[in-house]
Amino acid sequence: QVQLVESGGGLVKPGGSLRLSCEASGFTFSDHYMTWIRQSPGKGLEWVSYISGSGSTIYYADSVRGRFTISRDNAKNSLYLQMNSLRAEDTAMYYCARGDYAYWGQGTLVTVSS
Amino acid sequence: DIVMTQSPLSLPVTLGQPASISCRSSQGLVHSDGNTYLTWFQQRPGQSPRRLIYKVSNRDSGVPDRFSGSGSGTDFTLKISRVEAEDVGVYYCLQDRQWPRTFGQGTKVEIK
Repeated sequence: QVQLVESGGGLVKPGGSLRLSCEASGFTFSDHYMTWIRQSPGKGLEWVSYISGSGSTIYYADSVRGRFTISRDNAKNSLYLQMNSLRAEDTAMYYCARGDYAYWGQGTLVTVSS
Repeated sequence: DIVMTQSPLSLPVTLGQPASISCRSSQGLVHSDGNTYLTWFQQRPGQSPRRLIYKVSNRDSGVPDRFSGSGSGTDFTLKISRVEAEDVGVYYCLQDRQWPRTFGQGTKVEIK
């Protein structure tokens, strides 16, 4: 069965960095584009970033462009989100989802606070 | 960016009664491939979102047939024919037509 498991969240100070990972199983990872989506506490869903199956095409939300970098390692069935220059407003649950949004992980919580 | 506007934002419903959620996009969502990329999600309390409906009206496997999606152009609707207790949660629409992808604000469904 399809599984997506995020990890790497935690407490970080403003200006700090964090790298999130999403390990996929149960499907041919390289055949699918992948997405990161976040949800601030008590708020709605916000699309963050997209990466194609090969990794050659990438898009970002304006709110994270220039600070976040999405990448993938198809040999490891893994998706990543490198987050730099973190701000308080980046505090959220971060979900990875298979590109068609049919499958989501359980999320990993990122808290940016001094 | 395409703005997705949902209404109502809060929807108290009596068990067994119908419910309807509207989602309007600021631009048309028809892709050049002929498909309309409007997706509905359900997020139950404490859970990850779950896809319910894709490309306007295609119900996902395992989704009860009391859920249906309809619409075209810029106006879309999610209907629950008879609300059950397990339907409590927040419902979101998403446009997958243009970058950046954008979600509606969410509609909270609760039991009266």
